Amino acid sequence: DIQMTQSPPSLSASVGDRVTITCRASQAIRNDLGWYQQKPGKAPKSLIYAASSLYSGVPSRFSGSGSGTEFTLTISNLQPEDFATYYCLQHNSYPRTFGQGTLVEIK
Amino acid sequence: QVQLQESGPGLVQPSGTLSLTCVVSGGSISSSTWWSWVRQPPGKGLEWIGEIYQSGSTNYNPSLKSRVTISVDKSKNQFSLNLSSVTAADTALYYCARLEYYYNSRDHYSLYYVDHWGQGTLVTVSS
Repeated sequence: DIQMTQSPPSLSASVGDRVTITCRASQAIRNDLGWYQQKPGKAPKSLIYAASSLYSGVPSRFSGSGSGTEFTLTISNLQPEDFATYYCLQHNSYPRTFGQGTLVEIK
Repeated sequence: QVQLQESGPGLVQPSGTLSLTCVVSGGSISSSTWWSWVRQPPGKGLEWIGEIYQSGSTNYNPSLKSRVTISVDKSKNQFSLNLSSVTAADTALYYCARLEYYYNSRDHYSLYYVDHWGQGTLVTVSS
């Protein structure tokens, strides 16, 4: 199985900050990665597919990059509604595997 | 806009079988895509359970494979999850999801990505 390691596990940031979350794969996965946002008590929401493509309706302050084994999710100009847990998910091979999640908290 | 809605018993006896259904609205389960189940134990991260293509082809998480069955009912536009021999470790929020086709035109291959999620249903395993 491909292991997905996210860092940091949690971070504190202020409104307006730029935040970067990293996801590392245990083996190369091309750019076969998605990013998902989950707010407390809610279902995940799909943000990004193919490492860097935003789903329709996702604000442009979200961006993704990376290929191979290292990927990043960047939130520029952090907004109050962005405080949530973020997960990466590799779609390269079965079984699909999630990162452990990164909790973005208000400083 | 596709919507997914999970349903099923909220309480299952240990050693019993967990059975959930995901009803699809705003789209056809017969469309050329995959349909998935994901779960989340209380306070923990997400775990992929498995998925099914509209034709009935399946892929399962090896950690659950001996206990999992995912099936499609095209007449009811829904798909289902059965998880047998459950224990307290199977207590979780269970989500159904749809995957969307994506073609990488640069490297010439196709994939499916999770795009729509159900709201989730909590299943507790307890006597």
